[in-house]
Amino acid sequence: EPEVTQTPSHQVTQMGQEVILRCVPISNHLYFYWYRQILGQKVEFLVSFYNNEISEKSEIFDDQFSVERPDGSNFTLKIRSTKLEDSAMYFCASSEPQRTGDGYTFGSGTRLTVV
Amino acid sequence: QKEVEQDPGPLSVPEGAIVSLNCTYSNSAFQYFMWYRQYSRKGPELLMYTYSSGNKEDGRFTAQVDKSSKYISLFIRDSQPSDSATYLCAKQGGSARQLTFGSGTQLTVLP
Repeated sequence: EPEVTQTPSHQVTQMGQEVILRCVPISNHLYFYWYRQILGQKVEFLVSFYNNEISEKSEIFDDQFSVERPDGSNFTLKIRSTKLEDSAMYFCASSEPQRTGDGYTFGSGTRLTVV
Repeated sequence: QKEVEQDPGPLSVPEGAIVSLNCTYSNSAFQYFMWYRQYSRKGPELLMYTYSSGNKEDGRFTAQVDKSSKYISLFIRDSQPSDSATYLCAKQGGSARQLTFGSGTQLTVLP
């Protein structure tokens, strides 16, 4: 069964550093997403991406964050100048354009720890 | 006002029990409702999806939506220890593709 692959599974970074979280979405999917889950809290939407541009973003997704599809297979989330409160699980997801809520596939996540 | 509220649990039941998990939502524009299962340190995995009021059944799982009372339920029959996980309700509304999740209910099924 096709999977969304995320790397690394765990990333530790010092406060103030930049991190890039990487995702390989399912090959025939055209919508890509990032969500995050702070320990013990809800899964929260960050951003969706379609046709090489951001289609929706939440108020969490401020200038500290950026997304990119650098090639035909990868989808990245960059967090600049990380803060302690950025520590969370970050989930990538992808979906087919004609599908709605039943078309999402999530990756296993990257655990980001900011120290 | 929170958009999706979910019974926090945790919930612990004996093997074979019927489990009832519940959510309410506040915005009538929501059209699609999902239940996800999340094992520890893993991503959410879609269990059930529905867009209309009424019941939808898939094996031991039944999703129920009551749009008049804005209530979403998931029933698990003959629960198994392997069902032990966190269950997340989610909704998606209108033209927006983003999902809004409830806080999750942690379920433990005891053998």
